[in-house]
Amino acid sequence: AQSVSQHNHHVILSEAASLELGCNYSYGGTVNLFWYVQYPGQHLQLLLKYFSGDPLVKGIKGFEAEFIKSKFSFNLRKPSVQWSDTAEYFCAVNDRNNQGGKLIFGQGTELSVKP
Amino acid sequence: KAGVTQTPRYLIKTRGQQVTLSCSPISGHRSVSWYQQTPGQGLQFLFEYFSETQRNKGNFPGRFSGRQFSNSRSEMNVSTLELGDSALYLCASSFHSGANYGYTFGSGTRLTVV
Repeated sequence: AQSVSQHNHHVILSEAASLELGCNYSYGGTVNLFWYVQYPGQHLQLLLKYFSGDPLVKGIKGFEAEFIKSKFSFNLRKPSVQWSDTAEYFCAVNDRNNQGGKLIFGQGTELSVKP
Repeated sequence: KAGVTQTPRYLIKTRGQQVTLSCSPISGHRSVSWYQQTPGQGLQFLFEYFSETQRNKGNFPGRFSGRQFSNSRSEMNVSTLELGDSALYLCASSFHSGANYGYTFGSGTRLTVV
């Protein structure tokens, strides 16, 4: 069965620090990849997505992610975090060919940014 | 345009009761998916509906069911509630079935079973 693993459960950074959140998935077929963010008290919002093409994708708010097919990874990065980036981040995978809109989510990484 | 609307926002039910949650998708969206979010299990897919037909189903017991109406609004029902059903239930809508169309999530319904 498909699964998504996010290695860090809680990350604490100071403002201006660089961020990298790991995401690995287990599935050998063609996948769509997503990062969602959930700010405190708000709904899930899409940060960025990868369907095909350039494996380096840029999203909103200065976030980017790189798809490395050989490593089954889709890590999220931001060069310089802000206090407002404090939120929970979820990586998700979708089997493009077989599962319609079903998203498999990782357990989430809580990011706390200290001002 | 209005986002995905879920009602009610909060619910408290007693073990053994049943509950119905509602989701109104973004206007023009025909696909609706439901997820359960808990601290222990994270976000888990329940089911997906498109044009009133269930397209996908997650690994949940038969007590969890859903349906979609001709106006794309969707409901999910949980019968014989258990304490472990306490969770945030999220609805997501998309123009078409398939994640490459992009899904927009609602704010969720927080269900507490006592």
